[in-house]
Amino acid sequence: DAGVTQSPTHLIKTRGQQVTLRCSPKSGHDTVSWYQQALGQGPQFIFQYYEEEERQRGNFPDRFSGHQFPNYSSELNVNALLLGDSALYLCASSLASTSAQETQYFGPGTRLLVL
Amino acid sequence: DQQVKQNSPSLSVQEGRISILNCDYTNSMFDYFLWYKKYPAEGPTFLISISSIKDKNEDGRFTVFLNKSAKHLSLHIVPSQPGDSAVYFCAAPDYTDKLIFGTGTRLQVFP
Repeated sequence: DAGVTQSPTHLIKTRGQQVTLRCSPKSGHDTVSWYQQALGQGPQFIFQYYEEEERQRGNFPDRFSGHQFPNYSSELNVNALLLGDSALYLCASSLASTSAQETQYFGPGTRLLVL
Repeated sequence: DQQVKQNSPSLSVQEGRISILNCDYTNSMFDYFLWYKKYPAEGPTFLISISSIKDKNEDGRFTVFLNKSAKHLSLHIVPSQPGDSAVYFCAAPDYTDKLIFGTGTRLQVFP
């Protein structure tokens, strides 16, 4: 049983460019959350998708957008990249019917470097 | 504002001894806390949790203590093993169930 997978593992972009990160949830999971982990910081919640809709959003600008597909996989898009967007982007999946936070599984992340 | 704080960025402990990782929080509405462990190139994995109705939860070598009056929790690892070397995050769900993470403590267990 594959866990949460993310692609690509690493990415280098320049300021002003756009980037798309991808996430496949753990088998059986229907909810995907995205987090940004800057260097020396803990993960910060970006948003959560369920039933192909954004269900919750953290304190991130509209440059950050997402999508969830019918197979529950998800994309995170960031437009007009800034140097400060350099971070590890983590995807986590869970089952909506299970509210316990312990059942949220994280992927290995995509490390984005903006030059 | 940092609602969950881990003031020690790193901790070094000898194998076999106790590791104590600390976490403070400012939001008195938090009623559930989790600890995650993160190895390099891997995502955080859930380790142990505690509800505010308890002051202690134990799982094998790992024990979490909660002091609600001090808004403080700690994770004890006894005995520490080299495989415990990782970054540890404490976290709490806010009123919308979003996880709020601390900044993490890097634990190194040396032989």
